Amino acid sequence: GESVGLHLPTLSVQEGDNSIINCAYSNSASDYFIWYKQESGKGPQFIIDIRSNMDKRQGQRVTVLLNKTVKHLSLQIAATQPGDSAVYFCAVFLRSNYQLIWGAGTKLIIKP
Amino acid sequence: NAGVTQTPKFQVLKTGQSMTLQCAQDMNHNSMYWYRQDPGMGLRLIYYSASEGTTDKGEVPNGYNVSRLNKREFSLRLESAAPSQTSVYFCASSEEAGTGGFYNYGYTFGSGTRLTVV
Repeated sequence: GESVGLHLPTLSVQEGDNSIINCAYSNSASDYFIWYKQESGKGPQFIIDIRSNMDKRQGQRVTVLLNKTVKHLSLQIAATQPGDSAVYFCAVFLRSNYQLIWGAGTKLIIKP
Repeated sequence: NAGVTQTPKFQVLKTGQSMTLQCAQDMNHNSMYWYRQDPGMGLRLIYYSASEGTTDKGEVPNGYNVSRLNKREFSLRLESAAPSQTSVYFCASSEEAGTGGFYNYGYTFGSGTRLTVV
């Protein structure tokens, strides 16, 4: 099977600083990884994804890093803004059972 | 706006009552999913429908049934609600016909149904 954990349930950062949210997974056969953002009262929203044949992928103000050696991925948000306040989930796809396994989420709090 | 629409947004049930959560998408997606989200936890897959006419169990199917009524609609039914089913329920859809939404592009969530069973 697969289990997904996030290192911190809550992360507080100063507005304008960079945020790094971490996630660990257990199954080395996992081959697709996704970061979602969930704002209060809303459903999760796709941010960025990465396949296991890559170790870095960049989007607009976001970067996902994948380290398959230690089974760890991170989401980096540059120049954090108040609108980035949300709960961030990593989700890991395991091809063997075709299920997307979700971590518990990290709540990102932006300090003014 | 195109997307996934869930009804109702809130519901309170008594133990033993039944109800159906409705979900509809207007993006012509093949695959649809029902998840539940409990406090401090990630989403857990209840059931999914890879394509019209098919449904399969996810991680936590017990106590639920689903119907893929047509390509647009995927409903979730609680036959005899229990307090353990108190949760926020999300419906999602994706372009890919693959199970569980392997390729994320087009993986869209509804805004959720907050269900309380007393």
